[in-house]
Amino acid sequence: NAGVTQTPKFRVLKTGQSMTLLCAQDMNHEYMYWYRQDPGMGLRLIHYSVGEGTTAKGEVPDGYNVSRLKKQNFLLGLESAAPSQTSVYFCASSRGGNTEAFFGQGTRLTVV
Amino acid sequence: AQSVTQLDSHVSVSEGTPVLLRCNYSSSYSPSLFWYVQHPNKGLQLLLKYTSAATLVKGINGFEAEFKKSETSFHLTKPSAHMSDAAEYFCVVSEPNRDDKIIFGKGTRLHILP
Repeated sequence: NAGVTQTPKFRVLKTGQSMTLLCAQDMNHEYMYWYRQDPGMGLRLIHYSVGEGTTAKGEVPDGYNVSRLKKQNFLLGLESAAPSQTSVYFCASSRGGNTEAFFGQGTRLTVV
Repeated sequence: AQSVTQLDSHVSVSEGTPVLLRCNYSSSYSPSLFWYVQHPNKGLQLLLKYTSAATLVKGINGFEAEFKKSETSFHLTKPSAHMSDAAEYFCVVSEPNRDDKIIFGKGTRLHILP
């Protein structure tokens, strides 16, 4: 009964380092989303995918890349981390249309 | 592009009194609207959703919201606040079968006074 699982849960990076956040869902959902949450800003959409092999830009895509090679996985990459990317990152999945999105527990990333 | 505006960043109410969290949306199409709740250091949970059926939507824990197209509003209410309602609440809009983005408002933090 996993739902949406994000790894890792915590990470500290040095400026300029790269990393990949993994999101895995076991609900056979077509749609997957990556958000960042910052105080007073709500959740802002970084990138999303409407199916395996597809990706699209959200509200704040700069500095991030994504891939959806398998339906159940959605990867978020930071090629060269910056302190402005310090945030809590949430992944979500849904069946699309007007259905509910299910969220992971979040990844707290600190860039020093 | 669709968007939501949550009119209050913080709301404080006394336990047992009504709760009103305000949300206005912008959409060129028939939107779906949601309210999510996030308790401190927790994930996000769906409270309720509007998907073009009944305009008055009932959710979990006694919350409800009314879709008013003429006012482009989707305000969240609860008749009697409980201490456990203290959390951050997000109004969310999507345009199904358009670009399928799910867009969040900036959130309203609800404080419950004893």
